[in-house]
Amino acid sequence: SQTIHQWPATLVQPVGSPLSLECTVEGTSNPNLYWYRQAAGRGLQLLFYSVGIGQISSEVPQNLSASRPQDRQFILSSKKLLLSDSGFYLCAWSEVGARAFFGQGTRLTVV
Amino acid sequence: GQQLNQSPQSMFIQEGEDVSMNCTSSSIFNTWLWYKQEPGEGPVLLIALYKAGELTSNGRLTAQFGITRKDSFLNISASIPSDVGIYFCAGPPLMEYGNKLVFGAGTILRVKS
Repeated sequence: SQTIHQWPATLVQPVGSPLSLECTVEGTSNPNLYWYRQAAGRGLQLLFYSVGIGQISSEVPQNLSASRPQDRQFILSSKKLLLSDSGFYLCAWSEVGARAFFGQGTRLTVV
Repeated sequence: GQQLNQSPQSMFIQEGEDVSMNCTSSSIFNTWLWYKQEPGEGPVLLIALYKAGELTSNGRLTAQFGITRKDSFLNISASIPSDVGIYFCAGPPLMEYGNKLVFGAGTILRVKS
């Protein structure tokens, strides 16, 4: 069966520091991968999605970037965090049929 | 961009009551998905709908894909305290590359026991 792992679960980072969140999927090949951000427990904002290795589409201009170095690995990064980057970050994968399955999320607090 | 309008925004109901929430779009969807999110966790898929008019149940949950393909609803019968959470509708807009999903803003459900 397929599983998705996302880490860390929580993170507190100072303003201006770099960020790297990692997500890996097991049990499937060539999944679509997504990064979402959720603020204040409501609304999921799509940040990036990827349909294959090295293929990244950005949904909103921001202080973040994403990379997909391997088929089942998706990384969210920032060179310098802003206070406004705080939020709950969710990684998800999907196959044909559009059903998406989410990781447990990372609570990021920028201080 | 494409938006899904989800209502109500929140509900505070008595245990045992039935719950109904819905989602509408200005454009056609071929798939409707319903998720539940509990605090501090990722959303969990409850029901997936793939055909207009389809009615699908998952335990006490029932969801329908609207005939116009522009709406869907989710019903929860005989609510219990563990139904508490945020319920999201979602779907991939037609012609969007990569099956990316758009989400409604969510319905916060609170249950009084």
